[in-house]
Amino acid sequence: EAQVTQNPRYLITVTGKKLTVTCSQNMNHEYMSWYRQDPGLGLRQIYYSMNVEVTDKGDVPEGYKVSRKEKRNFPLILESPSPNQTSLYFCASSLSRQGAYGYTFGSGTRLTVV
Amino acid sequence: QQPVQSPQAVILREGEDAVINCSSSKALYSVHWYRQKHGEAPVFLMILLKGGEQMRHEKISASFNEKKQQSSLYLTASQLSYSGTYFCGTEIKTSYDKVIFGPGTSLSVIP
Repeated sequence: EAQVTQNPRYLITVTGKKLTVTCSQNMNHEYMSWYRQDPGLGLRQIYYSMNVEVTDKGDVPEGYKVSRKEKRNFPLILESPSPNQTSLYFCASSLSRQGAYGYTFGSGTRLTVV
Repeated sequence: QQPVQSPQAVILREGEDAVINCSSSKALYSVHWYRQKHGEAPVFLMILLKGGEQMRHEKISASFNEKKQQSSLYLTASQLSYSGTYFCGTEIKTSYDKVIFGPGTSLSVIP
């Protein structure tokens, strides 16, 4: 089944403890992106990647890191999480940004930082 | 740069129609539409690439007015399964590698 897989689904952590949210897609998509979703604000882009080893900042990149060493994986790293990073996170992928294809989203990761 | 969506929320009875609007202050390359049910991931409905283009997903259709930098989503003869939050996503012509999502429109269909 074609899908984007995120792990974990739920995570509670403490301020300052480094964490990684994994994202993997099995569709050979070039483009991958991370969003956070907060009430009333919709989906805001954190980072995106056009292809392997090519990443760029979205609208709210502060406090996050990403890497794209393989085409299928795009992990989101929070080096020192803070309570304002408590949110619902979605990973998404697309065949390519060239030609504009729709996104396939993962199931989401609900992160709580205390 | 975030597109504006209207209305913020709408409640419909089964069988009624609704229109959700999305407008941008920037020239657009494309407009995406997604639906998100409570507790689930957003699901892609359709994409509009050209001004004047109209697309359809089941009984849901959309139009794109490139000159006005607007798109509208039309839900005809609504069903209970249409309930959810609808997001438009816009690609700006000067930055086509990013999709910026609107704040969403909550749609509730009741029997």
